[in-house]
Amino acid sequence: AQTVTQSQPEMSVQEAETVTLSCTYDTSENNYYLFWYKQPPSRQMILVIRQEAYKQQNATENRFSVNFQKAAKSFSLKISDSQLGDTAMYFCALHWAGSYQLTFGKGTKLSVIP
Amino acid sequence: ETGVTQSPTHLIKTRGQQVTLRCSSQSGHNTVSWYQQALGQGPQFIFQYYREEENGRGNFPPRFSGLQFPNYSSELNVNALELDDSALYLCASSPEASGNYEQYFGPGTRLTVT
Repeated sequence: AQTVTQSQPEMSVQEAETVTLSCTYDTSENNYYLFWYKQPPSRQMILVIRQEAYKQQNATENRFSVNFQKAAKSFSLKISDSQLGDTAMYFCALHWAGSYQLTFGKGTKLSVIP
Repeated sequence: ETGVTQSPTHLIKTRGQQVTLRCSSQSGHNTVSWYQQALGQGPQFIFQYYREEENGRGNFPPRFSGLQFPNYSSELNVNALELDDSALYLCASSPEASGNYEQYFGPGTRLTVT
């Protein structure tokens, strides 16, 4: 069974500062993908960033980057230069090849303070 | 390009009733997945449809059923509603050749069972 754990229910950050959201996961598979999704108060789930497990290089998308530690099964999200529009629930998710589903963590509620 | 749409936005049902939720997949996507997101939780996988066939199922009872139509739109049906079925129901679509397993989410349907 695959599990995803997000240990920070809520976090806050000052506008323009940097924040890191934590995620750990457990899987016995070798071929899998990890995702961070953002769910603003409007509810639409939006993909933020994706990491293939076979790639050692950490993924980066503009102000968003990840720290992928495969041996430790850790997948944290760093948001640089935080903006008010980053206020949302952030979900870490796992999808292993051969499965049909995304397995989500419980989420971290991020508030960006002006 | 049209994104994933869902209807209705909200609905209220009484325990024991039946409900049908609808989803239109993103243009070019032939795979649809449904998730249940209880308040304060991450989404939980219900099932997936590919080319009108159920392709995988999560830990949900048979009273949760679905359909996919030739135009790849989908329905989620829930019979004998229970109070615990109150949740946000998310539909996600993905293209057949989605080797990176990205799923694109709709805005959700908020179901309240009283």
